[in-house]
Amino acid sequence: DGGITQSPKYLFRKEGQNVTLSCEQNLNHDAMYWYRQDPGQGLRLIYYSQIVNDFQKGDIAEGYSVSREKKESFPLTVTSAQKNPTAFYLCASSMRQQETQYFGPGTRLLVL
Amino acid sequence: QKEVEQNSGPLSVPEGAIASLNCTYSDRGSQSFFWYRQYSGKSPELIMFIYSNGDKEDGRFTAQLNKASQYVSLLIRDSQPSDSATYLCAVNGGYQKVTFGTGTKLQVIP
Repeated sequence: DGGITQSPKYLFRKEGQNVTLSCEQNLNHDAMYWYRQDPGQGLRLIYYSQIVNDFQKGDIAEGYSVSREKKESFPLTVTSAQKNPTAFYLCASSMRQQETQYFGPGTRLLVL
Repeated sequence: QKEVEQNSGPLSVPEGAIASLNCTYSDRGSQSFFWYRQYSGKSPELIMFIYSNGDKEDGRFTAQLNKASQYVSLLIRDSQPSDSATYLCAVNGGYQKVTFGTGTKLQVIP
């Protein structure tokens, strides 16, 4: 069953804590993306990666970090430097950059 | 000026009517355009994409693109209550980035 998986579905972060959101795809897509969605706002790009071991900052990268050690995986770490992390986080992938993006089910991050 | 603009709605239409959703964009170099549907609390799912001027039909959905006027629209014929969702317009601006609009909330009234 091909697709994009994200875990966990809900994540709670304590102040000063780093947390990591998982994103895995078995679509053999080269490009992967992380977006943040806040109520009443569109999707904002955090980071994207076109190829293994390479990634670029998006519009709101501050307070976040990523890695792309495998083609299938693109984890996102929300660091303690991100002061307002409560949001819906969406991972997406596409065959290549600029092509149609497909989304995972999302992770909702809440701050305790 | 926002790069991709959509009316936030809600747009209310009766069941069986045609729903018309509009999107304008600022980058004249944009090459590809996407419509996603997002149910409350869920992730976006692709409905259609369009690259060329004119209409593209898929079942009850028709995407319309006018590059000269920089707008793209989505028509939903025979609207059903299950079509009630937020519809996101996305534009590939040619700078290796896809920009999303804030979405239009559609309500189909039974």
